[in-house]
Amino acid sequence: DIQMTQSPSTLSASVGDRVTITCRASHSVNTWLAWYQQKPGKAPNLLIYQASILETGVPSRFSGSGSGTEFTLTISSLQPDDFATYYCQQYNTYSLAFGGGTKVEI
Amino acid sequence: EVQLLESGGGLVQPGGSLRLSCAASGFTFSSYAMSWVRQAPGRGLEWVSAISGSGGSTHYADSVKGRFTISRDNSKSTLYLQMNSLRAEDTAVYYCAKDRSFGVVTYFDFWGQGTLVTASS
Repeated sequence: DIQMTQSPSTLSASVGDRVTITCRASHSVNTWLAWYQQKPGKAPNLLIYQASILETGVPSRFSGSGSGTEFTLTISSLQPDDFATYYCQQYNTYSLAFGGGTKVEI
Repeated sequence: EVQLLESGGGLVQPGGSLRLSCAASGFTFSSYAMSWVRQAPGRGLEWVSAISGSGGSTHYADSVKGRFTISRDNSKSTLYLQMNSLRAEDTAVYYCAKDRSFGVVTYFDFWGQGTLVTASS
C-alpha cells in the first residue's frame, strides 16, 4: 500500500503569510492527488484535485503542485478563515490513503 | 443541492455489529462511486471502503477487510456499511463521501456530516 506523509504536522502562521504544506508518497502516484480542508467538528472540504486543479468555488489563494512522490499545497496570503487542518489523499490505487494532516494555527 | 445524511451510529460492545446508512439526494446516485471514510477522536482521516456506481465493484482497507461490507441500493439512493466483529479501534466518526467518478475510486467532492460509532464495553 502507498503511505502518505505530510509535513509539518503543525504550522504556526499569521494572517497574510504565505504558507506551504508538503505531502510525500511512498511510491509514485503520478498526479492522482487531492487536498482537503477540515475545520473542527465539520466534514472535510475538497480544495484541489489532480494535484493542481482548483475545485470550483475555492479561492484562488490556494494552489497545488507536484507529481510523482512530492506535492505541495500553498496558500498565498493566509486569511482568518484558513485556520484549519489540511489533508492530502492519493487515488492512484484502489487502496486510497490520506496523509496524517497539517494543522494551521495562529 | 447535494445532501448526504448518515444514520445508524451508536454505542456497541466489542464483538458486536452495526449497520450504517447514508441517504443521498440532489444528484443521480447511481452515476457515482461512493465511499466510507472514518476519523477516530482527535485523529486523521482513514478511508474505509468504496463501491462503484453500479455496485459491482467494492474495495476495502486492510483494517476492515473481512469484517465490514459496503453495499448500495440505487433504487433508494442509499449507501450502507455493515460492520461486524467491531473492535475498540473502530471507534470513530464515519463519513459517507460522494466520489467524482462512476467506476474508478478517486476523490470526494461531497461529504455527509458523519455519524459516531463507539465500540466500548
